[in-house]
Order: sequence, then structure tokens, then C-alpha cells
Amino acid sequence: KAGVTQTPRYLIKTRGQQVTLSCSPISGHRSVSWYQQTPGQGLQFLFEYFSETQRNKGNFPGRFSGRQFSNSRSEMNVSTLELGDSALYLCASSFGIGGGQETQYFGPGTRLLVL
Amino acid sequence: AQSVTQPDIHITVSEGASLELRCNYSYGATPYLFWYVQSPGQGLQLLLKYFSGDTLVQGIKGFEAEFKRSQSSFNLRKPSVHWSDAAEYFCAVGASNTGKLIFGQGTTLQVKP
Repeated sequence: KAGVTQTPRYLIKTRGQQVTLSCSPISGHRSVSWYQQTPGQGLQFLFEYFSETQRNKGNFPGRFSGRQFSNSRSEMNVSTLELGDSALYLCASSFGIGGGQETQYFGPGTRLLVL
Repeated sequence: AQSVTQPDIHITVSEGASLELRCNYSYGATPYLFWYVQSPGQGLQLLLKYFSGDTLVQGIKGFEAEFKRSQSSFNLRKPSVHWSDAAEYFCAVGASNTGKLIFGQGTTLQVKP
């Protein structure tokens, strides 16, 4: 099976712009979670989607949003970019509802640089 | 509150030496525990996981981890380190009713030739 894929792999934006990142889960997986990784804050949970519904959300401002499509593919959007949004954004998929009850498999990430 | 602590930010070992990476967690119920490895510029690869049962779990690449409830620990071990093991290692705990993994700050492993 193909693993989790994320596009694009690298992105450069300027402050104030918006960005959309895409994640395709492993075939058959219905849950997608997103994480932000920065040197200062480490890995932080953004949100989780299961069957097109957001189940959980981390402590991030409303500028961060996401959605999931009927084929389980997910997108996350960041509006009004700030310098502090520069990070590696990781997507993870699992068969069921994720977290403690399922193993999450991670994609290679999208490296976002905000100038 | 749930949390994961990896006390060692950076560890250097010689190739062929044994390795132990420490992980302590704080979680009210029986935790679901994971170790992931991340090579530079890459995503996270699952090494092993503990859900229940035998407290010594085997993973990929020759790694193992032992769950000790009394010490709230889930330390990762490898008897003989290879140069290719140099990477960053993350311990994580998963809450039973959410899709959220809580990660430690990571331990960077450097392997000396």
C-alpha cells in the first residue's frame, strides 16, 4: 500500500497570504490528523477528521482550519499567515478514530516558510 | 493533564554501544504509548507501540521498549546502535477517545563512529 502523501512538500509564502496543504491518507484509512512541528514548540496537534467531520481540535487560532472529503483526503488552510506559522506540517492517517485506539501513520510533511 | 517528558534532549553513543532513551508520561488511565523516529527532513516512522499485555514490546530495526506502570515510563532500548540510527526520537501517548497524540520534546541521537 502506498503511504500517506502530502502536497506540496515545500512552500514559501509571505505574511498575510493564505495557504492550503493537502493530505492523502493510506487507502482504507478514514481518519486524518494534522500536526505542526516547530523547533520551539515541538509537535502540536492541530485537528482530527473522521468521516468528513472534525472530531477534535487543538489549541490553535481560527486562522487554522481544515476539512475532509468523502474519499478521506484532507486539506488544511492557514489564512493571514504570520512568521510564526513557519513549520513542518505533518499529516497522519489511521483506520479508525485515531489517537489511543489506532496507530497513526505519518506522511513526509509540508515545509512552510513564511517570509 | 496528559503529558510526555523526554528528559534527554541530546544523546551521543558510539556505534555498537547499547542505547536507552527515556520517556515518562502522565496520564490518568492506561496509556497507549508509541515511539516514533524522524530522520532529517522526513516525517515520523513508527518504531513500536504499547496498548496492553506484555510490557516488553518489540519494534522494527531491533528496537524494544518496556512499559513500567509504577514508574510511568516507557523507555526505548537497542542493544547495539548502528550509524543509521542517528535521528530524532519521539515518545507519544494517545488518549483513548480522541485523535490526538501528545508528544515529548524529542531526543536527538548522534552516533559516533
